[in-house]
Amino acid sequence: GIQVEQSPPDLILQEGANSTLRCNFSDSVNNLQWFHQNPWGQLINLFYIPSGTKQNGRLSATTVATERYSLLYISSSQTTDSGVYFCAVDSGGSNYKLTFGKGTLLTVNP
Amino acid sequence: DGGITQSPKYLFRKEGQNVTLSCEQNLNHDAMYWYRQDPGQGLRLIYYSQIVNDFQKGDIAEGYSVSREKKESFPLTVTSAQKNPTAFYLCASSIGHDTQYFGPGTRLTVL
Repeated sequence: GIQVEQSPPDLILQEGANSTLRCNFSDSVNNLQWFHQNPWGQLINLFYIPSGTKQNGRLSATTVATERYSLLYISSSQTTDSGVYFCAVDSGGSNYKLTFGKGTLLTVNP
Repeated sequence: DGGITQSPKYLFRKEGQNVTLSCEQNLNHDAMYWYRQDPGQGLRLIYYSQIVNDFQKGDIAEGYSVSREKKESFPLTVTSAQKNPTAFYLCASSIGHDTQYFGPGTRLTVL
C-alpha cells in the first residue's frame, strides 16, 4: 500500500516563529488532507489539497503531486497552534480510505 | 448543526465483553469510516462503508465488526476477540474522495 512519511517528528518553536512541515508519499494520490489534532483528540481539517497551493490565514499548504510531497507552512506561530499535525492520503481507485502519516508534534512556547 | 457525533466519549470494558461505539452523521455523506489511534501514532483504518448495507475491512479489522443499515449510522462493535482494544476510536465520513470529516472520538479502556 501507499506509504506516508512526515517530518520532522517533533518541532519546538517560540511564539512568532515560522515553520514548515513536510509530507512525502510513495504513490500518486486522489486526495491529500492536512489535519490538526487538538489536545482533546479532535481532528480539525486544515486543507484538502491533492495538488496546488492554498492559504487560510496564517496557514498555507502546497502539494507537488508529480514529486510526491506536500508542505504545510505555519507563519507567526501561536501557542494555540500546538498539537499534532497529520498528513493523510487517498491513493484513489474504488475505495476512499485515507492512509495517515505518524504526525508532527508541534510545541509553541510563549 | 451538521456534523458527526460519537458516543460515548469515554468507555470502559471488562475483559471478555463486547462493546459498541456509536457514530452518527447528518451530512448526507455516503461513505463512513472507523479509525483507531494508539498513543503517539497516526490513525489506522478498521472498517469503511461506501454505501448502505455494504462495508469493507480496513488494515486492522480483526476483532471488530460493523453494520451499515442506515446512511446516517455506522456503529462499531469491539469484540472480545480484539486482544488489545484500549485506544482512541475516531469515526469519519465523506462524499467519495472528497474531504473526510471526523467526529470527536471515543476513548476505550479495558479494565
